[in-house]
Amino acid sequence: QAGLTQPPSVSKGLRQTATLTCTGSSKNVGYQGAVWLQQHLGHPPKLLSHRNNNRPSGISERFSASRSGDTASLTITGLQPEDEADYYCSAWDSSLTAWVFGGGTKLTVL
Amino acid sequence: EVQLVESGGGLVQPGGSLRLSCAASGFTFSDYWMTWVRQAPGKGLEWVATLKAEGSEKFYVDSVKGRFSISRDSAENSLYLQMNSLRVDDTAVYYCVRDPMVVWGQGTTVTVSS
Repeated sequence: QAGLTQPPSVSKGLRQTATLTCTGSSKNVGYQGAVWLQQHLGHPPKLLSHRNNNRPSGISERFSASRSGDTASLTITGLQPEDEADYYCSAWDSSLTAWVFGGGTKLTVL
Repeated sequence: EVQLVESGGGLVQPGGSLRLSCAASGFTFSDYWMTWVRQAPGKGLEWVATLKAEGSEKFYVDSVKGRFSISRDSAENSLYLQMNSLRVDDTAVYYCVRDPMVVWGQGTTVTVSS
């Protein structure tokens, strides 16, 4: 099953802003939007953003998601050391009838 | 508190079988689609299987079709993954997830090795 496209790595400085992208197609990201997940080493993934770009309760306002066509984006403002993690996007593909994932972006906070 | 707790992982030889379980609590289990996602050591997330809320439709990644079976018992608030004909490349942490990817369990580790 084809996946979503994410850059493998992004590096930004402390207190800077990082924007992570996730490109799919009209059958997945463009269909119902994408979720964003954060995973720290040795821990399960955690939902950062619902498909409708809303944050779950307890997620910092520094995390915001958006979508333009078939590309979803996650913007993290005021980068903190604890933001260093792997970030995944995922979407339901209406053609494959399957969840598809991006390969993940490793965010490094310098 | 919404919670998913997986169990059943372990070490198995190639060709063997395992049954993973996921105990759900804190929400109306029968209302939600449920999914299994796996992560091989050092790799990204991979979708494995999804089961609709009423249990009528099941979806699988191509690599597990015919070998894995997802099921649920709403009376027990439990999700299952029966894994047969296991291969070395099935080695991974398996996560139980409440759709749409909203709630994740801690995962259970499956190691397929001789």
